[in-house]
Amino acid sequence: AQSVTQLGSHVSVSEGALVLLRCNYSSSVPPYLFWYVQYPNQGLQLLLKYTTGATLVKGINGFEAEFKKSETSFHLTKPSAHMSDAAEYFCAVSFSSGSARQLTFGSGTQLTVLP
Amino acid sequence: SQTIHQWPATLVQPVGSPLSLECTVEGTSNPNLYWYRQAAGRGLQLLFYSVGIGQISSEVPQNLSASRPQDRQFILSSKKLLLSDSGFYLCAWRLRYDSPLHFGNGTRLTVT
Repeated sequence: AQSVTQLGSHVSVSEGALVLLRCNYSSSVPPYLFWYVQYPNQGLQLLLKYTTGATLVKGINGFEAEFKKSETSFHLTKPSAHMSDAAEYFCAVSFSSGSARQLTFGSGTQLTVLP
Repeated sequence: SQTIHQWPATLVQPVGSPLSLECTVEGTSNPNLYWYRQAAGRGLQLLFYSVGIGQISSEVPQNLSASRPQDRQFILSSKKLLLSDSGFYLCAWRLRYDSPLHFGNGTRLTVT
């Protein structure tokens, strides 16, 4: 069965430090991978996506993620955290089975940025 | 460009009252539509999805129902709300399995 695991429900970093949010997936078919950000009382906003092609994907707000098939990972990074990055982040994976149901979200990681 | 509208933004309802949340998508045709719920401090729970008019799939047994009367309209309903129905409800759409979900701004429902 396909699944998504986000390691660390809460991550704290200092302003200016590296942000690393971890996402691992389990799948028997090629995955399509997404990262979303959610600010309080708002919907989820797409940060970036991997479908095919280059494995290093750049997104909005300076975030990027690298698809590593051998490690079944799609970790999200940002070189220098900003106070405005404080939010909840969700990794999601979709599969090529074609079913509208086949999209799974991780449980989310709350990012805190310390001044 | 495509947009998704979800309303109302907040709603306070007494236990036992009915519910109707509406979501519409503009700028695309035949989208897959989804209703999710977030309880406080928890992740996303898929409630319903639809691949076409009148086609609804339910993911969890509950006192909620969904309908899709038009191609780009998705409605979440309940005849009698429970306290446990409180939460943040999100509507979303996408075109295919390799495209991302696009979310509305959500409805904060408080059942008192």
